[in-house]
Amino acid sequence: ILNVEQSPQSLHVQEGDSTNFTCSFPSSNFYALHWYRWETAKSPEALFVMTLNGDEKKKGRISATLNTKEGYSYLYIKGSQPEDSATYLCAFLNSNSGYALNFGKGTSLLVTP
Amino acid sequence: DAGITQSPRHKVTETGTPVTLRCHQTENHRYMYWYRQDPGHGLRLIHYSYGVKDTDKGEVSDGYSVSRSKTEDFLLTLESATSSQTSVYFCAIRDPGGSSYEQYFGPGTRLTVT
Repeated sequence: ILNVEQSPQSLHVQEGDSTNFTCSFPSSNFYALHWYRWETAKSPEALFVMTLNGDEKKKGRISATLNTKEGYSYLYIKGSQPEDSATYLCAFLNSNSGYALNFGKGTSLLVTP
Repeated sequence: DAGITQSPRHKVTETGTPVTLRCHQTENHRYMYWYRQDPGHGLRLIHYSYGVKDTDKGEVSDGYSVSRSKTEDFLLTLESATSSQTSVYFCAIRDPGGSSYEQYFGPGTRLTVT
């Protein structure tokens, strides 16, 4: 079992605030790090797949960085909106289980107007 | 959206009864996965398949079996359901030809064992 840790567990911000979450993962045998956005009663939606040390990816107001040497990734949301409220999951690719994903427990974000 | 469906979407069953959940894909992807999601846990891998009749266990496989007789269908069976198997079950698929190892998830099945 590969431990993937996410922090904080939950976050409550005001509309317009910027926020960031952390994902830490094993730095050995790295293949890829995934970020998903998950709304209640829906299926997880892929945000980013990051494969190279130093990767930076961006989608609208959301961006992510990757440091494979030290085993962490940051997800940033600039100017949070109520529709950003969701659980954000990171997952480490496990080459030992058919390239299944080892998920962290997620960061639950609530953005209030 | 990837063509993944799960059935049933909701099920309530009694302890001790067998239950089969179905995952169906139209993408012809080789790899398929079953995860469960519980409060306080991330998604956890139950079983996975890397081809027809090729399956293997994941992190939380006890009490579950799977079958894959054709590419498009991956079945998860609870031989004798227990209350600890009350959960939301997600199926996922992956195209091994993709360089990103991206996985696509089905809509989920909410199972309640009473």
